[in-house]
Amino acid sequence: DAGVIQSPRHEVTEMGQEVTLRCKPISGHNSLFWYRQTMMRGLELLIYFNNNVPIDDSGMPEDRFSAKMPNASFSTLKIQPSEPRDSAVYFCASSLYPNTEAFFGQGTRLTVV
Amino acid sequence: GENVEQHPSTLSVQEGDSAVIKCTYSDSASNYFPWYKQELGKGPQLIIDIRSNVGEKKDQRIAVTLNKTAKHFSLHITETQPEDSAVYFCAASGTGNQFYFGTGTSLTVIP
Repeated sequence: DAGVIQSPRHEVTEMGQEVTLRCKPISGHNSLFWYRQTMMRGLELLIYFNNNVPIDDSGMPEDRFSAKMPNASFSTLKIQPSEPRDSAVYFCASSLYPNTEAFFGQGTRLTVV
Repeated sequence: GENVEQHPSTLSVQEGDSAVIKCTYSDSASNYFPWYKQELGKGPQLIIDIRSNVGEKKDQRIAVTLNKTAKHFSLHITETQPEDSAVYFCAASGTGNQFYFGTGTSLTVIP
């Protein structure tokens, strides 16, 4: 398996624009996580899906953020409208079973100017 | 939710010396404790993990210890090498299956 695949790797956008980050988890994995990494706050859990269903979205910072998982092989994280403080590296991770190794993608570095 | 604290935030050691990173957690229901290594420009990668029914686990130069009573766990790297230089994260996971990460330790191994 190619691992968790995220796209794009880098995204530069202007404030106010919509941004969509994409993730393809490892085939067969039942859990999917979206994390945001910044120097100030470290790795923050944004949302967690199990069997394509959002289980916990308490980490989503505000209504500008939304995440979907229409099927077992694809998830999106959308920010609309984007703001400079959203600049960070966004990671997607997946795991086979609860409380087992989470495999991370390479991340998407988002810069909002 | 779970709160994971990690110390130190930075650590420099001479090549060949040992490195120890410590974490505490708050939720007694947490039962899975992985450690991740993150190299520059990459996503975190699991290096070792431990479950709450085990007190210690070792894999070559890396070992992890867990004290459930005190709610703390530690990563030990022996005979450090320059390629061990990276950021290390501890995490805790429990009944909710969410992974909560510590703030990270930047380890530098000086040749």
